[in-house]
Order: sequence, then structure tokens, then C-alpha cells
Amino acid sequence: DAKTTQPPSMDCAEGRAANLPCNHSTISGNEYVYWYRQIHSQGPQYIIHGLKNNETNEMASLIITEDRKSSTLILPHATLRDTAVYYCIVRAYTDAGNNRKLIWGLGTSLAVNP
Amino acid sequence: DSGVTQTPKHLITATGQRVTLRCSPRSGDLSVYWYQQSLDQGLQFLIQYYNGEERAKGNILERFSAQQFPDLHSELNLSSLELGDSALYFCASSATGRGETQYFGPGTRLLVL
Repeated sequence: DAKTTQPPSMDCAEGRAANLPCNHSTISGNEYVYWYRQIHSQGPQYIIHGLKNNETNEMASLIITEDRKSSTLILPHATLRDTAVYYCIVRAYTDAGNNRKLIWGLGTSLAVNP
Repeated sequence: DSGVTQTPKHLITATGQRVTLRCSPRSGDLSVYWYQQSLDQGLQFLIQYYNGEERAKGNILERFSAQQFPDLHSELNLSSLELGDSALYFCASSATGRGETQYFGPGTRLLVL
């Protein structure tokens, strides 16, 4: 089962910031929060990840609460091309111990409107 | 462009048949992952290979198998196909398979009629 909870859908006006929340209340101390997006059945695209500090790259910013139980992905100036399903993932361990897999939920469908 | 390539892009076949999906990882990546995404579903992890060896298994059916070759490309074999196997199949790669970022290919869309 996915270890994260996201709203199923959100809307955002073009040019405005899109703030996508994610709840991961059972996250362990050594687990990272990853964000990917999937545009219309294309391959998922990596956006950003973080452990406990806030992170920023050319695509987005990731804000992680101090207790690490939730995070927010921020797209500072959303465009129509940002319309996609956004997945928040906590990196988990497989039954094989050191090996890791990504456990995917259903994500948030973000619609950026003109 | 993630650098991961998958062929074919589309595949249409009949029930009971067998197909092979191919994946080439990013240059330098040693680990390959396979995922299945059915209609309106999240991605389901199938299997991971690292440098030619199976590293982890997820929800992979016994009718499905995979391997990673010495040149690091991977193939996912699906046999005795059923209607329910219709889905998108994605391959991802990472540098070592020890938890770093996975980069995904464009996927293969399989339709079983």
C-alpha cells in the first residue's frame, strides 16, 4: 500500500503558483520523499526529492514540515504544460532488505487553466 | 528525454500469445526496474535487476519473466497473455539500485485482444 495521501485533483490558474500537498505521517527517519509527474500516460518524470531540508531545483521547490509528516510541492509559475498527475512517493524497502522500490499511489491530477 | 529507451511503443496481440518488451537504461546505469500501469491505476512494481542479477521482486505474475543482459539492456517477457494484461509497461533505470533516483522510459502500451 502507498504510504502517502494526496488529494485526487486540484486546479491552478496559469502563471500562479501550484501548491500540491502530500501527507506521509508514517514516514521513517531514513526515508526520502520523492515527487514525480506523469503527463498523459507518458513515462513518469522525476521532479525533486528531499529528506528533511527544503529543496529547490529548476522545476520546483519541496517544502517538508519539521516533523516530516507532510510536504508540499510548489510549482512557482504553473503553465499549461504542467497539467499532469503528480505523485508523492516515500521510498520504501522491499522484502529483500537493502533493495528499494517506489510504491505509487494514485497521485494528484493537476489541471492548469488558462 | 530521460535517456531510457523502450521498444516497441505499442503492441497489439491476442490472448494466449507471448510478447517481449525491451528496455535500454541510461548510459552508466546498472539497475533496471519494470513497472506495470493498468488503466487509471498507479504504477505497480514488477521486478528489479542490478548488473545482470535479479535484485527485487514485486507483484510479478509467474507468467511474466525478465532478464538483464551483459550489455545491461533488459527484456520483460509476458506469456499466456490475458485481457487483463493490457496495460502500460514502464522501465526505469538508476545508477546502482541502492535507492537513488529512478529515471523512466516512455513505456510500451500493450493491448491484448
